[in-house]
Amino acid sequence: GQNIDQPTEMTATEGAIVQINCTYQTSGFNGLFWYQQHAGEAPTFLSYNVLDGLEEKGRFSSFLSRSKGYSYLLLKELQMKDSASYLCAVRDGDYKLSFGAGTTVTVRA
Amino acid sequence: DAGITQSPRHKVTETGTPVTLRCHQTENHRYMYWYRQDPGHGLRLIHYSYGVKDTDKGEVSDGYSVSRSKTEDFLLTLESATSSQTSVYFCAISDRDEGSYEQYFGPGTRLTVT
Repeated sequence: GQNIDQPTEMTATEGAIVQINCTYQTSGFNGLFWYQQHAGEAPTFLSYNVLDGLEEKGRFSSFLSRSKGYSYLLLKELQMKDSASYLCAVRDGDYKLSFGAGTTVTVRA
Repeated sequence: DAGITQSPRHKVTETGTPVTLRCHQTENHRYMYWYRQDPGHGLRLIHYSYGVKDTDKGEVSDGYSVSRSKTEDFLLTLESATSSQTSVYFCAISDRDEGSYEQYFGPGTRLTVT
């Protein structure tokens, strides 16, 4: 089976930086995705990594280390609207997505 | 935003009754997926489809069946609903299942089985 771990909750202050870690053990690897999900809404795509290294997209960056089974999502210049759940998902050897349970980020003024 | 809708958006039903949830897309994407989302478990794959009449089981398929007779519609059926199937159900679509092709999610259906 697949095992994807991420912290349950994180709290940070508006304007600060938060790093959400994700570790995984899956049968095969064909890419890692990060999704954002606001309460009561659908998940929306944030980033994709398949090679080692950092991918930057504005205030959001995602890092991958395949040898360590590790990724992180970095949220910079936090805004109140960034309060949401962040989902780490790994595409396995069968090209199916397995999701972590999600990390709820609360941004405080 | 990808054109994907789900119906109904909310449903309350009794144990033992059949329930069908509908996912409709206007993007002509090949792949369609049904997930359920429960606290502490994240999203779990129920069934998926890789083309018309082509479907396969996911991680938590027991008690569920699916059908896809047209590219745009993917139906999820609970033959005899149980309280353990109370959940939020999300449909997702994707043009391809490889590379950077992400899945787009519908708005979800909140199902309560009493």
